[in-house]
Amino acid sequence: GAVVSQHPSWVICKSGTSVKIECRSLDFQATTMFWYRQFPKQSLMLMATSNEGSKATYEQGVEKDKFLINHASLTLSTLTVTSAHPEDSSFYICSARDRGRGQDTQYFGPGTRLTVL
Amino acid sequence: AQSVTQLDSQVPVFEEAPVELRCNYSSSVSVYLFWYVQYPNQGLQLLLKYLSGSTLVKGINGFEAEFNKSQTSFHLRKPSVHISDTAEYFCAVSPTTSGTYKYIFGTGTRLKVLA
Repeated sequence: GAVVSQHPSWVICKSGTSVKIECRSLDFQATTMFWYRQFPKQSLMLMATSNEGSKATYEQGVEKDKFLINHASLTLSTLTVTSAHPEDSSFYICSARDRGRGQDTQYFGPGTRLTVL
Repeated sequence: AQSVTQLDSQVPVFEEAPVELRCNYSSSVSVYLFWYVQYPNQGLQLLLKYLSGSTLVKGINGFEAEFNKSQTSFHLRKPSVHISDTAEYFCAVSPTTSGTYKYIFGTGTRLKVLA
């Protein structure tokens, strides 16, 4: 099946620094990617929809200046957590929409665990 | 708005026994329904989905689910589990009018298969 990778798989940073997380579709082109956040023992919450070549669409309550999304190519979307604080510590998961091969399926990455000290 | 409830946070079951993971949803609009599985250190993998048609949906790895509109449920079942089925299972819905799959996930159920 299609593969979506995320890098890094985990990151620890100091409060106030910025962290960039990459999401790549490895064997298909994805015009649309999604970013989710998951707190311990809670469900995945959609943060934003990333569209190649245009601005991301953020869900209500998500700060767009805090969580910068760039979808610069058909295989890469990045999420930058700016001026990270401990409350931003979470598990971030991306998914990529594959509309080729006669299907419409989202494939999920393995996630990135962010810990802000 | 939509919400998904997975009442069981953990389900222990012995190998070769049947299992049912429960999922109920609430929505004011029609939705598509999904079950995903997440193995340790891996991304979510689609088990099965209900878009339309027969309410009994068969998925990968011997799993099946039945859509019950009157009870707003989409319970996942397997007649005989294996150790390798140990994982986290997520139920999700997506409004049919969203244009793309815009998931609302449940909190997940951790299935632990015991030898």
